[in-house]
Amino acid sequence: DAGITQSPRHKVTETGTPVTLRCHQTENHRYMYWYRQDPGHGLRLIHYSYGVKDTDKGEVSDGYSVSRSKTEDFLLTLESATSSQTSVYFCATREHGVNNEQFFGPGTRLTVL
Amino acid sequence: AQSVTQLGSHVSVSEGALVLLRCNYSSSVPPYLFWYVQYPNQGLQLLLKYTSAATLVKGINGFEAEFKKSETSFHLTKPSAHMSDAAEYFCAVSVSTGNQFYFGTGTSLTVIP
Repeated sequence: DAGITQSPRHKVTETGTPVTLRCHQTENHRYMYWYRQDPGHGLRLIHYSYGVKDTDKGEVSDGYSVSRSKTEDFLLTLESATSSQTSVYFCATREHGVNNEQFFGPGTRLTVL
Repeated sequence: AQSVTQLGSHVSVSEGALVLLRCNYSSSVPPYLFWYVQYPNQGLQLLLKYTSAATLVKGINGFEAEFKKSETSFHLTKPSAHMSDAAEYFCAVSVSTGNQFYFGTGTSLTVIP
């Protein structure tokens, strides 16, 4: 398995506060992704990165920002958390190559009160 | 644009019975197709992937899937269900012209003793 860790694993916060989730990989994969998982919606892409300092938006990017200053780290920031952002967040990585699969981290459960 | 449809958000089978989880995709270019499994409170793990080498793909834990271009399908099967197969299953598609994966909404498999 690819070495992917996410921190924190659980977080409870209040509406309006900023939150940063961290994804760390040890596999030197080029691509990194942030998804949110909600019942009935499956996984929805928030943002992804195709290299250091290179990022792009996914289908549910509003209210989220990302940064990737090193190959191994991909940060997801909720600028001002809302209750609708209560979800489970997954990080994934992928090697360069069109048919390569994604590897997933263990997830972060975020509750916004 | 690419998309994935998983028919049946919940499937129940008896232990020892055939497992059939359905996945249909939409893609304007040749797709790469994946099945992932998610056990409770864990990230997603790759079961198998289709990368155009062979239409019948064998994966881990006795699962297999067949790519049928004429039906735009990639259904997942297992001849005999085991209690340990109870989990959430996700179908995903990617294409060579993009960096994103597109996931279905998932199928929850229950195995009845």
